[in-house]
Amino acid sequence: DQQVKQNSPSLSVQEGRISILNCDYTNSMFDYFLWYKKYPAEGPTFLISISSIKDKNEDGRFTVFLNKSAKHLSLHIVPSQPGDSAVYFCAASAAGNTPLVFGKGTRLSVIA
Amino acid sequence: DVKVTQSSRYLVKRTGEKVFLECVQDMDHENMFWYRQDPGLGLRLIYFSYDVKMKEKGDIPEGYSVSREKKERFSLILESASTNQTSMYLCASSLRYGDIQYFGAGTRLSVL
Repeated sequence: DQQVKQNSPSLSVQEGRISILNCDYTNSMFDYFLWYKKYPAEGPTFLISISSIKDKNEDGRFTVFLNKSAKHLSLHIVPSQPGDSAVYFCAASAAGNTPLVFGKGTRLSVIA
Repeated sequence: DVKVTQSSRYLVKRTGEKVFLECVQDMDHENMFWYRQDPGLGLRLIYFSYDVKMKEKGDIPEGYSVSREKKERFSLILESASTNQTSMYLCASSLRYGDIQYFGAGTRLSVL
């Protein structure tokens, strides 16, 4: 059973607009959430994280929102750039005692 | 900066061969991980290790084994390679269990 779900396999956005990538989780013990970005033929790179004690974390163009009651988090990219085109993975862990659990990823295409 | 180095970017092997994938990290991380990435399936955890000579099965350990003789090195072994093991293999390390994982560039393995 998938504990971390990214229900949209792909997303296409115009350059300059907002990209919103979504992630749902089922395990209420998860308390730390991360987003990774992956280009083809490269390893994933860490992008941004959020602890369950927060509901928002911002880093430049990237903002992660966490809605614990809905077990939902989202990554906002504003403004989107062609270089943001990649696969984005959501991941979660529980109390630092389990390895990260990854979603299946969402492929973002930013069109110029 | 954390550096995780995978020994090969591309490998081509024949069915039945024994295959070794090597991974080295330079940040004195306790934990190391092996994943495979396949289209539509995301990142699937094969094995992980939380200490030298210690290993734990991940979600898909069948057909694989691992070795961790030194803290900085974690090897993935395909005992008898099969065509369904053709995939992108990714190594990662982290300081703590549920913490940020840092990935290598990946090894694209083709089994013919």
